[in-house]
Amino acid sequence: QVQLKESGPGPVQPSETLSLTCTVSGFSLTSYGVNWVRQPPGKGLEWMGRMRYNGDTSYNSALKSRLSISRDTSKNQVFLKMNSLQTDDTGTYYCTRDRFGVPFDYWGQGVMVTVSS
Amino acid sequence: DIQMTQSPPSLSASLGDKVTITCQASQNINKYIAWYQQKPGKAPRLLIRYTSTLESGTPSRFSGSGSGRDYSFSISNVESEDIASYYCLQYVNLPLTFGSGTKLEIK
Repeated sequence: QVQLKESGPGPVQPSETLSLTCTVSGFSLTSYGVNWVRQPPGKGLEWMGRMRYNGDTSYNSALKSRLSISRDTSKNQVFLKMNSLQTDDTGTYYCTRDRFGVPFDYWGQGVMVTVSS
Repeated sequence: DIQMTQSPPSLSASLGDKVTITCQASQNINKYIAWYQQKPGKAPRLLIRYTSTLESGTPSRFSGSGSGRDYSFSISNVESEDIASYYCLQYVNLPLTFGSGTKLEIK
């Protein structure tokens, strides 16, 4: 069955770089896109960016200067890297699948990232 | 960027009520709106896409409608398991943008 699972480092210091991995199963990264969505504690959802099935990437302009998304199709993994972290980057980070005409049909469980000194 | 104005921020309903949530886009989104349910501590779940198409497994008491800039999402015969937050999402243009959410509580 379709599964996505985020993994990451736990607490991160301000100004450091965040590295997250989304490991997928049950579908191919060359057929479906993977997006990153985040949610600060008690707040709403923010789309961060995506890796399309064909390897193209798109980013939220608010984060573009700090964000990079890449993938390793042989390992069924999509990676997020975001630099210059600040305390307001604290939140739950989700990876989620999309296909043509169907946004975010499957989600990972989310990974909590805490930015704190 | 397309702004999605969602209202109300919170809603209190009795079991069996019908509730409606609205999202207004800052421009025409050509029916490319989806609705998600999020329960505490869980990832969002896709309920409806393309304004009114129910995803597999979405109960028929959920529905969506609208066109142009104005969209609505309804739950008829609210059940206790519907306690959650609900979000709209426009996916016609990048960046994809969510509404600010509606928290549904039971009276």
